[in-house]
Amino acid sequence: AQSVTQLDSQVPVFEEAPVELRCNYSSSVSVYLFWYVQYPNQGLQLLLKYLSGSTLVESINGFEAEFNKSQTSFHLRKPSVHISDTAEYFCAVSVRAGGTSYGKLTFGQGTILTVHP
Amino acid sequence: NAGVTQTPKFRVLKTGQSMTLLCAQDMNHEYMYWYRQDPGMGLRLIHYSVGEGTTAKGEVPDGYNVSRLKKQNFLLGLESAAPSQTSVYFCASSYLGADTEAFFGQGTRLTVV
Repeated sequence: AQSVTQLDSQVPVFEEAPVELRCNYSSSVSVYLFWYVQYPNQGLQLLLKYLSGSTLVESINGFEAEFNKSQTSFHLRKPSVHISDTAEYFCAVSVRAGGTSYGKLTFGQGTILTVHP
Repeated sequence: NAGVTQTPKFRVLKTGQSMTLLCAQDMNHEYMYWYRQDPGMGLRLIHYSVGEGTTAKGEVPDGYNVSRLKKQNFLLGLESAAPSQTSVYFCASSYLGADTEAFFGQGTRLTVV
């Protein structure tokens, strides 16, 4: 079985400050890694994903995440946040195992990022 | 292009009542999922479907049933609602494979009193 731990339930920051949202996972098999974002009263949207290749992946709105296999981590970072980044962020994994995992996602508990002016 | 649409958006049930949540997707996705979201617990998979006519249990299936009679629709049923089923329910769909993006509906907020 897989598990995902997000180490911070809430992260308050000021606008234009850097932020890091931490995610660690545990799995006995290889996984794909995802970050999803949930804006207030909305569903989840994919922010970025790691499938293979370069361990650093980026989103179109300035977030990046680095896959660290030895530390089983996939932390999300942004060098300068905006008010509009206020949302809840979820780290998730899905099992790579051929065609039998069917894209089922195991989520972390979520981190609420609040950006203050 | 509507994506994933859930109905209703809000519902209050009395303990013991039944209801059905409807999910519809217009992206021709094979896989569909029902998750529940509870504070501090993230999202947990209730049931999922890998194609029309198929369903399977997820992590927390007890007290729920599902059906996928048509490829575009995935129904979640509560036969006898309990207060522990108070939650926000999300439907999602994906094309194929564990590496593809899941598209989520806007959620159904259910309160069981």
